[in-house]
Amino acid sequence: GENVEQHPSTLSVQEGDSAVIKCTYSDSASNYFPWYKQELGKRPQLIIDIRSNVGEKKDQRIAVTLNKTAKHFSLHITETQPEDSAVYFCAASRQGFQKLVFGTGTRLLVSP
Amino acid sequence: NAGVTQTPKFRVLKTGQSMTLLCAQDMNHEYMYWYRQDPGMGLRLIHYSVGEGTTAKGEVPDGYNVSRLKKQNFLLGLESAAPSQTSVYFCASNDEGTGVREQYFGPGTRLTVT
Repeated sequence: GENVEQHPSTLSVQEGDSAVIKCTYSDSASNYFPWYKQELGKRPQLIIDIRSNVGEKKDQRIAVTLNKTAKHFSLHITETQPEDSAVYFCAASRQGFQKLVFGTGTRLLVSP
Repeated sequence: NAGVTQTPKFRVLKTGQSMTLLCAQDMNHEYMYWYRQDPGMGLRLIHYSVGEGTTAKGEVPDGYNVSRLKKQNFLLGLESAAPSQTSVYFCASNDEGTGVREQYFGPGTRLTVT
């Protein structure tokens, strides 16, 4: 089955810096890669996703890149703000299978 | 439109006790899921359902049972709770359709088994 690895487990940056979180997946048939943000004590919420027919997707300060050959994808956050502090989870899924396999999460701390 | 709701929010059980967690969604979603979240482990799928009357096992199904008698509800049961089941439980749901769709999560249930 699918296995998703996520690094780093914790990431500390200064406000205004960029943050990058990386994930690798094992199933070459996976073709949907969402990123969820979970604030302390809250539920996970989707922030951006990418499908395998696209190499990059942007939404304001966040972007996701996908390298199908290497089977890895990354979340990029530019101009970080304290409210970006949260745990971020990557996930992977195959089309036709609604199940997501999640990475173990990255705790991002943005210091003012 | 409440989205996905879960009851209860918190629960403390003694080893061997049983309980049922209720998940309800008002978005008419076909698919529903139960996850557990443990520190450093991410979200792990316990059971899921692809429609009313259906259930299937996920990654970590042992010790849990589920039922989907109505489309809007998905119940997670623990027949004989163990300390290893101390966790935060999240329910989620999403649409049927082409491709994989965003999963909407409930607020979670924090369960402690002593």
